[in-house]
Amino acid sequence: GAGVSQSPRYKVAKRGQDVALRCDPISGHVSLFWYQQALGQGPEFLTYFQNEAQLDKSGLPSDRFFAERPEGSVSTLKIQRTQQEDSAVYLCASSPVTGSYEQYFGPGTRLTVT
Amino acid sequence: QKEVEQNSGPLSVPEGAIASLNCTYSDRGSQSFFWYRQYSGKSPELIMSIYSNGDKEDGRFTAQLNKASQYVSLLIRDSQPSDSATYLCAVKKVSGGYQKVTFGTGTKLQVIP
Repeated sequence: GAGVSQSPRYKVAKRGQDVALRCDPISGHVSLFWYQQALGQGPEFLTYFQNEAQLDKSGLPSDRFFAERPEGSVSTLKIQRTQQEDSAVYLCASSPVTGSYEQYFGPGTRLTVT
Repeated sequence: QKEVEQNSGPLSVPEGAIASLNCTYSDRGSQSFFWYRQYSGKSPELIMSIYSNGDKEDGRFTAQLNKASQYVSLLIRDSQPSDSATYLCAVKKVSGGYQKVTFGTGTKLQVIP
């Protein structure tokens, strides 16, 4: 079946602009995670949903970051008033809540703030 | 102390040799352990998962887990140039359906032809 998809794949934003990043998880995967990955670093946790409930948002770096998953499937990560330090790859992953709990990643969105 | 620690490398091995990648973690309540491979410019790809002490083999890959020592490793036998990538260790704790996943910074592996 289809894997995790993300759009756009690349986004260039001018400092101060708002951006919205979309994630479409694997069908039937209840859990959805957002990560931020800077160059040369591992993925850093941002937030976690189980169905439509946002169970953990402790990794969001500031109140400019907001995520939602209103119907328990597609999720959107929104960044308001982008700053240069927001430049990174934003990864989305989904997993089931039973069995192996293995996470599967989407291709990521590379955000560049100029 | 970082929750999940890996040597950043690069780890260089000749083609055909065994590559050994190591990871330590700090949370003794961790339950699931994963190795991801990440090629440059690509997203992480799950290659191995292990849940109980001991070894788990899958083709050229063997994952080893020692919960007492809080240590997990990945061995790659007969290393190939196509194995050159960054290998990420991830540790998961599940409680009441709530999942907490922590990644290491990754070890860069270079397989020299």
